[in-house]
Amino acid sequence: GAVVSQHPSWVICKSGTSVKIECRSLDFQATTMFWYRQFPKQSLMLMATSNEGSKATYEQGVEKDKFLINHASLTLSTLTVTSAHPEDSSFYICSAREPVRGRETQYFGPGTRLLVL
Amino acid sequence: KQEVTQIPAALSVPEGENLVLNCSFTDSAIYNLQWFRQDPGKGLTSLLLIQSSQREQTSGRLNASLDKSSGRSTLYIAASQPGDSATYLCAVLTGGGNKLTFGTGTQLKVEL
Repeated sequence: GAVVSQHPSWVICKSGTSVKIECRSLDFQATTMFWYRQFPKQSLMLMATSNEGSKATYEQGVEKDKFLINHASLTLSTLTVTSAHPEDSSFYICSAREPVRGRETQYFGPGTRLLVL
Repeated sequence: KQEVTQIPAALSVPEGENLVLNCSFTDSAIYNLQWFRQDPGKGLTSLLLIQSSQREQTSGRLNASLDKSSGRSTLYIAASQPGDSATYLCAVLTGGGNKLTFGTGTQLKVEL
């Protein structure tokens, strides 16, 4: 099946710094990628939908200037958490949709755990 | 706004038991429903996907049913094993086939 990778898997940073998380589709081209956030003991919440070559669509309540998304190629989307604060500590998961399989199939990455001190 | 709820939130059973996990959603205009497994600190593993026109799907010891009109789905796990211990999430696809809304999850523990 299709594989999605994320890097890094773990990141610890100081408050005020920016952190970049990469999401790659390894064996398929993904015109659309999704970014989710999961707080402890809670479910996944969609943050934004990333379309290759265009601006991301953010869900209500998600600050686009804080969570910068770049989908520069068909296999790579990046999420940058700018000026991270402890409340941004969370598990970030991306998914990618493979067009040839139809819009209903999303493949999920292994997640990136962010801890802001 | 689509809301997805899962009951129970947590479940502990002895090995070998058959069990049922429940998922309900408020907007029946869905494209499909999917069940995932998530191990602690890990990403998601897709278990079963049911299209809106289907009633159920089976894979090994897992069987998922969908009653779209009533907004319900169940995941049946037969002969549970300790390796089944994980959090199970259901998710529905709506919004023009673009948005997955996840449930709150059921944390399952299967004990020896």
